[in-house]
Amino acid sequence: QSVLTQPPSVSGAPGQRVTISCTGSSSDIGAGYDVHWYQQLPGTAPKLLIYGNNNRPSGVPDRFSGSKSATSASLAINGLQADDEADYYCQSYDSSLSVVFGGGTKLTVL
Amino acid sequence: QEQLVESGGGLVRPGGSLRLSCEGSGFIFSDYYMNWVRQAPGKGLECVSYMSLSGSTIYYADSVKGRFTISRDNAKNSVYLQMNSLRADDTAVYYCARKYSGGSLDLWGQGTVVTVSS
Repeated sequence: QSVLTQPPSVSGAPGQRVTISCTGSSSDIGAGYDVHWYQQLPGTAPKLLIYGNNNRPSGVPDRFSGSKSATSASLAINGLQADDEADYYCQSYDSSLSVVFGGGTKLTVL
Repeated sequence: QEQLVESGGGLVRPGGSLRLSCEGSGFIFSDYYMNWVRQAPGKGLECVSYMSLSGSTIYYADSVKGRFTISRDNAKNSVYLQMNSLRADDTAVYYCARKYSGGSLDLWGQGTVVTVSS
């Protein structure tokens, strides 16, 4: 069982906006640790999508955005595209400096 | 360009050992914490170990503590994962990843497959 809780799946039609939640506790996200998001396309390694709660690495489209509040975080994807279909993971740390991941969310583009 | 390349995976019997290697190129390897993250078939991501720049800070997940040992050789731009007493539930793709800003992992290798089966 993952430390951070994500919905197993979300879906949306092309052009729509979807959000993926990531819920933690006072021992991890709520303790002030940053939240990061990864996109994993089928059969490939994860790719950093958002770091430091709301920052995009170079090359990541501004359709992707992140936010953090209290003990949770969210990833928003605007203007959904077919090639956004992937698994998405949130990641943070806990008070023992363990790296903690969410269980992953499968995004389906209808 | 910056890249990480893992090697050393394979099929091993329960109780056996494997040593994974990860070589970095295109960046100053000694400037970064390095992580090993695994993904069991059809499952999510789990960080099993990480090591600081000089090796003074080491983390192991409870699931591998006492069985796995991380090490690095900055002169060879490499990080290693010695895996002993392997169990079926260690079967996974093992990725090495570079720690970036705020603890994110910004550079990942392609992964190496470890299968523990009799």
